[in-house]
Amino acid sequence: GAVVSQHPSRVICKSGTSVKIECRSLDFQATTMFWYRQFPKKSLMLMATSNEGSKATYEQGVEKDKFLINHASLTLSTLTVTSAHPEDSSFYICSAHKDHPGETQYFGPGTRLLVL
Amino acid sequence: AQKITQTQPGMFVQEKEAVTLDCTYDTSDQSYGLFWYKQPSSGEMIFLIYQGSYDEQNATEGRYSLNFQKARKSANLVISASQLGDSAMYFCAIHGYGKLTFGQGTILTVHP
Repeated sequence: GAVVSQHPSRVICKSGTSVKIECRSLDFQATTMFWYRQFPKKSLMLMATSNEGSKATYEQGVEKDKFLINHASLTLSTLTVTSAHPEDSSFYICSAHKDHPGETQYFGPGTRLLVL
Repeated sequence: AQKITQTQPGMFVQEKEAVTLDCTYDTSDQSYGLFWYKQPSSGEMIFLIYQGSYDEQNATEGRYSLNFQKARKSANLVISASQLGDSAMYFCAIHGYGKLTFGQGTILTVHP
């Protein structure tokens, strides 16, 4: 398999603040990473595809100014939730594939965000 | 467009018995990949098994096997000899157009 880490695992913040979540591929290089959002007992919803060295591709309905994605290196992508509000509270999880698109995606452990 | 349907919101199985989790899909791609992931209460997504659309043999990984029926567009997961640790949410997913599309998930509960 392959190892993907996420940090932090859990974060609580006040409404109006920004929160940065990191996603790292630990034992492989990932030109593409993916960010998902998941509500309790629900499916994973793809938010955006993070591309190393270029702009992220956002899914329809996802505000790119709200959810800033930066993929500055082959092992790190960051998701910043700007001016967070209680409705942004959710489980955010990233993934990456090792070699080619279509290969198995390996997931990070996820980040639970609670906005008060 | 692609779609994955998991029609079983919840399933129960006795320890040591086998269980089948259903998954049907729809895609216009000729080449695609089907995946099953397990998500325990901790939230991590654990890759279980993969089936390529051109694979003639059903995929197997230990106690997991995939019953792939291409004409019916189904990719059911079979877990043999269920263990208490198998209790989790299970997701079927299809890869296409550069991304994974997930089904609604099935919560499996294994009883002792």
